[in-house]
Amino acid sequence: AQTVTQSQPEMSVQEAETVTLSCTYDTSESDYYLFWYKQPPSRQMILVIRQEAYKQQNATENRFSVNFQKAAKSFSLKISDSQLGDAAMYFCAYRSAFAGTASKLTFGTGTRLQVTL
Amino acid sequence: NAGVTQTPKFQVLKTGQSMTLQCAQDMNHNSMYWYRQDPGMGLRLIYYSASEGTTDKGEVPNGYNVSRLNKREFSLRLESAAPSQTSVYFCASSYRGFHTFGSGTRLTVV
Repeated sequence: AQTVTQSQPEMSVQEAETVTLSCTYDTSESDYYLFWYKQPPSRQMILVIRQEAYKQQNATENRFSVNFQKAAKSFSLKISDSQLGDAAMYFCAYRSAFAGTASKLTFGTGTRLQVTL
Repeated sequence: NAGVTQTPKFQVLKTGQSMTLQCAQDMNHNSMYWYRQDPGMGLRLIYYSASEGTTDKGEVPNGYNVSRLNKREFSLRLESAAPSQTSVYFCASSYRGFHTFGSGTRLTVV
């Protein structure tokens, strides 16, 4: 079974600064997808960014980018130019790419990000 | 608006009571899921339905039952609620691996 570990329960960053959230995972599969989800106080789950394991290039979405290290099984999220609206719980998640798994997601325990003035 | 609709948004139950959480999606997705979210635990899969007519257990299925009523609807039933089932419940559907989540149901069992 796959596991996802987020070792930082809480992080804090000043507005306009950069912060990196860590995520490691364990799997015996070679093909999979990794995701970062944002959960603001509204409780809604919002997809921030996704990475396909067979792609070596790190995914980027505006101020959000990942550092994907497949051999190390590491998938960190970098938020640049942090904004007050970035304050939320962030979850790392894993999904197998193999058919028959119904796209089930395995989540980490989350990192609560605080953004200060 | 297209998406995943969960009802109710909040519910308080007494121990031993039963209830059904409803979920419907209007995106014609084949796969649907129920997750629960507990503090410090992230989201954990309760049950899922890969397609209409099929359901399978996830990581934490004990105490729950599900019904995939049709392609749109996937309900979660608690037959005899326990305080350990106090949680936030999320329904989701997916297409090509992309999940769309409902807004969640906060359930408290007293």
